[in-house]
Amino acid sequence: ILNVEQSPQSLHVQEGDSTNFTCSFPSSNFYALHWYRWETAKSPEALFVMTLNGDEKKKGRISATLNTKEGYSYLYIKGSQPEDSATYLCAYMDSNYQLIWGAGTKLIIKP
Amino acid sequence: GAGVSQSPSNKVTEKGKDVELRCDPISGHTALYWYRQSLGQGLEFLIYFQGNSAPDKSGLPSDRFSAERTGGSVSTLTIQRTQQEDSAVYLCASSFLLRGDANYGYTFGSGTRLTVV
Repeated sequence: ILNVEQSPQSLHVQEGDSTNFTCSFPSSNFYALHWYRWETAKSPEALFVMTLNGDEKKKGRISATLNTKEGYSYLYIKGSQPEDSATYLCAYMDSNYQLIWGAGTKLIIKP
Repeated sequence: GAGVSQSPSNKVTEKGKDVELRCDPISGHTALYWYRQSLGQGLEFLIYFQGNSAPDKSGLPSDRFSAERTGGSVSTLTIQRTQQEDSAVYLCASSFLLRGDANYGYTFGSGTRLTVV
């Protein structure tokens, strides 16, 4: 059974601090790894689509790394702001374009 | 439209009733997915449509669930004889390609929160 694990499940971070969390996924039949941010009452919003081992992507204060050989990706947020509060979802896509989702990391930024 | 539109945004229904959820994808997007997220769980794939191909219904949890996509655009997800375990947020997503956009993945609607009482 293919499984995507995200840790931690939830995280409280002081405003201004940096943080990171993990997505673990199967290392076989890998095609892509997606990261999404899902704010309450809004649509999940794509952050990154990563395909190459060793990939690093950045969008503002948020960045992500990818290790397809060992099956993990890290998402980093630098200098957390209240607007970063959301659930961060990762999804593993296999070579048949099937997506398997993690349960998410819920991030709460304390002002 | 500019984004993926879902309606209703919230639905409370009595156990045993039928419900219909609607998704209006981005114009021109040929791939359309339905997912649901139950409390504390990851997104669970339900069904996808890709162009004129037969839909992949492999994720539908029971024969009470069905979905249609008319004219390659609007999709409706129907749940018959709803049960309490059907309570979840139902999300729709669309893209040009089945594998999603190389940079943006899939575009999601804001979901329908279904509560079965």
